[in-house]
Amino acid sequence: EAGVAQSPRYKIIEKRQSVAFWCNPISGHATLYWYQQILGQGPKLLIQFQNNGVVDDSQLPKDRFSAERLKGVDSTLKIQPAKLEDSAVYLCASSVPGTGRHTIYFGEGSWLTVV
Amino acid sequence: GENVEQHPSTLSVQEGDSAVIKCTYSDSASNYFPWYKQELGKRPQLIIDIRSNVGEKKDQRIAVTLNKTAKHFSLHITETQPEDSAVYFCAASKDNNDMRFGAGTRLTVKP
Repeated sequence: EAGVAQSPRYKIIEKRQSVAFWCNPISGHATLYWYQQILGQGPKLLIQFQNNGVVDDSQLPKDRFSAERLKGVDSTLKIQPAKLEDSAVYLCASSVPGTGRHTIYFGEGSWLTVV
Repeated sequence: GENVEQHPSTLSVQEGDSAVIKCTYSDSASNYFPWYKQELGKRPQLIIDIRSNVGEKKDQRIAVTLNKTAKHFSLHITETQPEDSAVYFCAASKDNNDMRFGAGTRLTVKP
């Protein structure tokens, strides 16, 4: 079974520039998550989708971050304009929704450095 | 939302000894508690999980215990090996919604 695919793996941008990350979840996984993991910290949930609807985006800095999952499959996370504190690994994850089957599978992450 | 606290932040043990990592959570509605292992530069990977209708679960050298009344859960690793060295994260959620992670424990197993 193919895992969660993310691209690009690494990105270096200057502050105030924009960047976009792409994620393709495991086939059949209706729930998709974007997490931000700053070095030395635990993953922080930015946004959770179920199909193409947003379940939770309470921790997404909406003035600069946006995410979409238009067709309920792959997703894009955008940052515009980037700040130095946005340097982190952006982890996409997916799972099968509903009770009883909870495992969340993570992608390898997109490493962002803002200089 | 849920708040998960994890300790210790670092843990060093001798090979063969046991390691225990503890987490507390704030939302009594949370019913799913996974533990993830993350090696340097790699993705977090699920190693064990427990649901709120179970008090303990074991898988070979790792076990997790849950105390719903006190809202805390723990990871136990017995007979530690150098390859157990990694960062371990606990998490809590209601089903799979709004899963919140602890800050992580860096475990070092000395040969």
